[in-house]
Amino acid sequence: EVQLVQSGAEVKKPGESLKISCKGSGYSFTRYWIGWVRQMPGKGLEWMGIIYPDDSDIRYSPSFQGQVTISADRSISTAYLQWSSLKASDTAMYYCARLDGDTSMEAWFDPWGQGTLVTVSS
Amino acid sequence: SYELTQPPSVSVSPGQTASITCSGDKLGDKYACWYQQKPGQSPVLVIYQDNKRPSGIPERFSGSNSGNTATLTISATEAMDEADYYCQAWDSNTAYIFGSGTKVTVL
Repeated sequence: EVQLVQSGAEVKKPGESLKISCKGSGYSFTRYWIGWVRQMPGKGLEWMGIIYPDDSDIRYSPSFQGQVTISADRSISTAYLQWSSLKASDTAMYYCARLDGDTSMEAWFDPWGQGTLVTVSS
Repeated sequence: SYELTQPPSVSVSPGQTASITCSGDKLGDKYACWYQQKPGQSPVLVIYQDNKRPSGIPERFSGSNSGNTATLTISATEAMDEADYYCQAWDSNTAYIFGSGTKVTVL
């Protein structure tokens, strides 16, 4: 079974750093892009970026470029999303998802991780 | 930047057909997919490449895409179909875009 398991919920203060993870299993982790998606409370889905674990090729959404860092460790089939200085506005649920399809144009996200809730509050 | 627009809400009676639209400039020239998200759960893919159903998704879910509009159709809607639905496409400038989401209520 293809599965993505994310790290647990986090409560942080503004200005703190954070790194959350997404571990893939049941498939060849290095051969599929992994994406990160933000969902703010009561809001819709926002694509943040994708990474190809085989060579760590990364594409960021312009909305998130410079705000977060995406990385991966292929040796442990894990992708990461990190912040160097959190803001209250980073409070959201963050999902990782595997990108499937032969080309970018036709690609879709499946499956999704269970989500990591990040709360930033003083 | 490219945008996908969905109606905020759709209401449907049990057993009837629900149609959820997703509008974008020349969306028919792209591929659309759809996700279902129930409260407190992760999104689940229900349609990809305009009209293909993943394994395990009921046949009552179908999709189409032409012109400027992609449509997700839920036939013989059941109470368990009550959820938020998001369309998604790819654009060469914006990359991966999600629609604004539609809340489907089964009355």
